Amino acid sequence: AQSVTQLDSHVSVSEGTPVLLRCNYSSSYSPSLFWYVQHPNKGLQLLLKYTSAATLVKGINGFEAEFKKSETSFHLTKPSAHMSDAAEYFCVVSDPPGSYIPTFGRGTSLIVHP
Amino acid sequence: AAGVIQSPRHLIKEKRETATLKCYPIPRHDTVYWYQQGPGQDPQFLISFYEKMQSDKGSIPDRFSAQQFSDYHSELNMSSLELGDSALYFCASSSRILGDEQYFGPGTRLTVT
Repeated sequence: AQSVTQLDSHVSVSEGTPVLLRCNYSSSYSPSLFWYVQHPNKGLQLLLKYTSAATLVKGINGFEAEFKKSETSFHLTKPSAHMSDAAEYFCVVSDPPGSYIPTFGRGTSLIVHP
Repeated sequence: AAGVIQSPRHLIKEKRETATLKCYPIPRHDTVYWYQQGPGQDPQFLISFYEKMQSDKGSIPDRFSAQQFSDYHSELNMSSLELGDSALYFCASSSRILGDEQYFGPGTRLTVT
């Protein structure tokens, strides 16, 4: 069985400061892990994915995430927040061949202050 | 690059009416997923199709049905609509060969009055 826990429902940062959105997972196989971003009333956009290649994954818009198997974590980071980063972020795990259905975290709302 | 297309983008229906939502996946993607997202909620998986066959079923009400056609587009049919069905409905597509990341459409906002 697979599960995802996003440890913070809201994260508030000032523009220009680092961003850390935390995600822990559990899976039975070798998971695929994803981060998606959703701006208000928009669809979900893939930020980055991990699929057992390099453990540090670089995504779009300056985001990156590090897969740490020992900690079962896949935290999302960005060195410097921009106002346009304010959105909802979802950590997602899928666990083929056990399941092709992804499991979503509950989401973290990123608030960026000027 | 082509993206997932959903229509309509907005739909307003009355209670007990029916609604049909359409999804056109990215070309050569073999899997289509439907999700329901209520206000402030994460997307809830409804149903998926792999190569035009129903693959997995999630929390889809019996009042809803879906199918995937020979051209790979999919339709979600919703009957006896209830106020609680008001939500954003997303379609996503993926390819098990190219990688299992899902690409989401812009969503259909359904409002039931």
